[in-house]
Amino acid sequence: AQSVTQLDSQVPVFEEAPVELRCNYSSSVSVYLFWYVQYPNQGLQLLLKYLSGSTLVKGINGFEAEFNKSQTSFHLRKPSVHISDTAEYFCAVSNFGNEKLTFGTGTRLTIIP
Amino acid sequence: EPEVTQTPSHQVTQMGQEVILRCVPISNHLYFYWYRQILGQKVEFLVSFYNNEISEKSEIFDDQFSVERPDGSNFTLKIRSTKLEDSAMYFCASRGNAPRQPQHFGDGTRLSIL
Repeated sequence: AQSVTQLDSQVPVFEEAPVELRCNYSSSVSVYLFWYVQYPNQGLQLLLKYLSGSTLVKGINGFEAEFNKSQTSFHLRKPSVHISDTAEYFCAVSNFGNEKLTFGTGTRLTIIP
Repeated sequence: EPEVTQTPSHQVTQMGQEVILRCVPISNHLYFYWYRQILGQKVEFLVSFYNNEISEKSEIFDDQFSVERPDGSNFTLKIRSTKLEDSAMYFCASRGNAPRQPQHFGDGTRLSIL
């Protein structure tokens, strides 16, 4: 079985400050990792994904994430946030050969002007 | 950019009634999924569907639930006799056919059971 932990349910950040949203996963086999964003009253939009290769992956809207196998983490970062980044962010994992996504509980990012 | 579309955006139904949630996956995608998100909780996998059959389902997906691809473009989720606890946001997703393609989600249908 696989699981995802997002320790921070809410993260307030001042505009133009950096942010890190934490994600840890548990799986007995190799994984694919994803970050999705949900803007108010909208669906889930893929921010970025790690499938294999370079452990640093870049996504849309200036976000990046680093896969750390030894720490079983996939933290999301952005060097300078904007008001428009206000949203809920979900980390998700799937296993090789098993397509279903297992999601974390989400982190609500609030940008303070 | 192609999108997954879901209708209706909000469905209000009396407990015990049947409800059908509709999804139009991205054209030429062959892998389809339903997830749900109860208010304040995490997004949960319900079922995956490929080649006109269910490939995996969760323990949530009991006999009250069914999925169907009635034609070449729609993918539906039916709940036969709704319960109060079925109230949730239901998301449809599809993915491309090459290996390791990510899932693309629709905007969801908010189902409210009275």
